[in-house]
Amino acid sequence: ETGVTQSPTHLIKTRGQQVTLRCSSQSGHNTVSWYQQALGQGPQFIFQYYREEENGRGNFPPRFSGLQFPNYSSELNVNALELDDSALYLCASSQGGYSNEKLFFGSGTQLSVL
Amino acid sequence: GESVGLHLPTLSVQEGDNSIINCAYSNSASDYFIWYKQESGKGPQFIIDIRSNMDKRQGQRVTVLLNKTVKHLSLQIAATQPGDSAVYFCAERTGTASKLTFGTGTRLQVTL
Repeated sequence: ETGVTQSPTHLIKTRGQQVTLRCSSQSGHNTVSWYQQALGQGPQFIFQYYREEENGRGNFPPRFSGLQFPNYSSELNVNALELDDSALYLCASSQGGYSNEKLFFGSGTQLSVL
Repeated sequence: GESVGLHLPTLSVQEGDNSIINCAYSNSASDYFIWYKQESGKGPQFIIDIRSNMDKRQGQRVTVLLNKTVKHLSLQIAATQPGDSAVYFCAERTGTASKLTFGTGTRLQVTL
């Protein structure tokens, strides 16, 4: 049922570079959340966007930023990449802003920072 | 593709047996819980959810039990199949927080 699409699927960058990851939400969903999943761990909340505004943020530095567009798609931008940013980045869509129920995840973007 | 669960607790069950995956959550104020299944190379897939005003909820072949007294959540899978092999995560939401907090995950291996 997911319907959430992310691009690209894999990406290799070098330390200090910038990256933009993209996400299209499932049809009918107006809220997008981004999570970082390091190897062997559960996903960690980065932030959520609802009605084109940031709706909540986890413990990530300001070099992690995002956008949501009128069609509810979203971007995650990471500046000044560090080696520890290597992870699977997951986008999830849902309805209702703060009502963070039944998140549906995409397959993620695997980012490797060398 | 190999981004999930290299050093996770592992539960090994035979095909056809029932599986029980346990999760201890951290916040007594959490009011909503979800179980996700994650296969290698894929994002987490929604399995079942439960609100804190319930102690049991059933889906197709799955049951979630919630014990708020000891802050414990379990996922029961009936007649486990090879396709159930994956990493399973529980997640909790606290109040109107916009985030889900995920547990560390359990790898389920189904043997034939």
